[in-house]
Amino acid sequence: AQSVTQLDSQVPVFEEAPVELRCNYSSSVSVYLFWYVQYPNQGLQLLLKYLSGSTLVKGINGFEAEFNKSQTSFHLRKPSVHISDTAEYFCAVGTSGTYKYIFGTGTRLKVLA
Amino acid sequence: SQTIHQWPATLVQPVGSPLSLECTVEGTSNPNLYWYRQAAGRGLQLLFYSVGIGQISSEVPQNLSASRPQDRQFILSSKKLLLSDSGFYLCAWQARPSGANVLTFGAGSRLTVL
Repeated sequence: AQSVTQLDSQVPVFEEAPVELRCNYSSSVSVYLFWYVQYPNQGLQLLLKYLSGSTLVKGINGFEAEFNKSQTSFHLRKPSVHISDTAEYFCAVGTSGTYKYIFGTGTRLKVLA
Repeated sequence: SQTIHQWPATLVQPVGSPLSLECTVEGTSNPNLYWYRQAAGRGLQLLFYSVGIGQISSEVPQNLSASRPQDRQFILSSKKLLLSDSGFYLCAWQARPSGANVLTFGAGSRLTVL
C-alpha cells in the first residue's frame, strides 16, 4: 500500500525568500507523483507531476520538484515566493493500474510581507 | 477542452435533511470519477470512485452514497445528514488509463450541517 507524508502542516516564509515543502512517500512499486495547490475556497489545481524520466520537474508559477528515489521524497521548491503563493499544497502518489491517488494532509504556505 | 462543473457551490442544511451534490464533466468520455471530502485540517479523504455507469466503489463506510446515472455525471447523496457530514466536497475526473493521468478537480461544494 502507498502512503504520503507531508512533514510540515504550516510553513511561514517572507516574500522573495526561497521555500521548500517536503513530501515523502512509501510504496513497493513504481509511483507517479504530483503536487497540487489549493487557494481558499477553491478546488485543487495541478502544479506539476513526475511520471518518469528527468527527476527534476518544473511546474507552473515557478515551482519545481525533485524526485529522489533513494530517499523516497518529492520535495517542492520555489526560489522566490510571492504573496500570491499563499495557499495549501498537497502532495499525491498514484501507481499504474490503480484508480486511487493517495494525498498527503497538506502544507499551508503563508507568505509574509 | 474538458471542463468539470460542481453544484451547488455552497449549501447549508439542517441535521436530518437529505443531500444531493452534482458533478458533470464535459469534453471527454468514459472518465474515472471521484468524490473527495476535505474536512478542516484533515487533508483529502476519498469517498467514492467510479470507473463506469452504475459502477461505484466506496472507500469509507458512512452516511453518504454515490451514483453515476450517466457517463459524465456523478452524484453524491445522503438521506439524512449528520453534523459530521460538514465539509468541502470535491469532485474530480481522470482520463483512462488511470495512474499516470492527473486528477482534475471541480471548484468544490461547501456543505454546512447545522
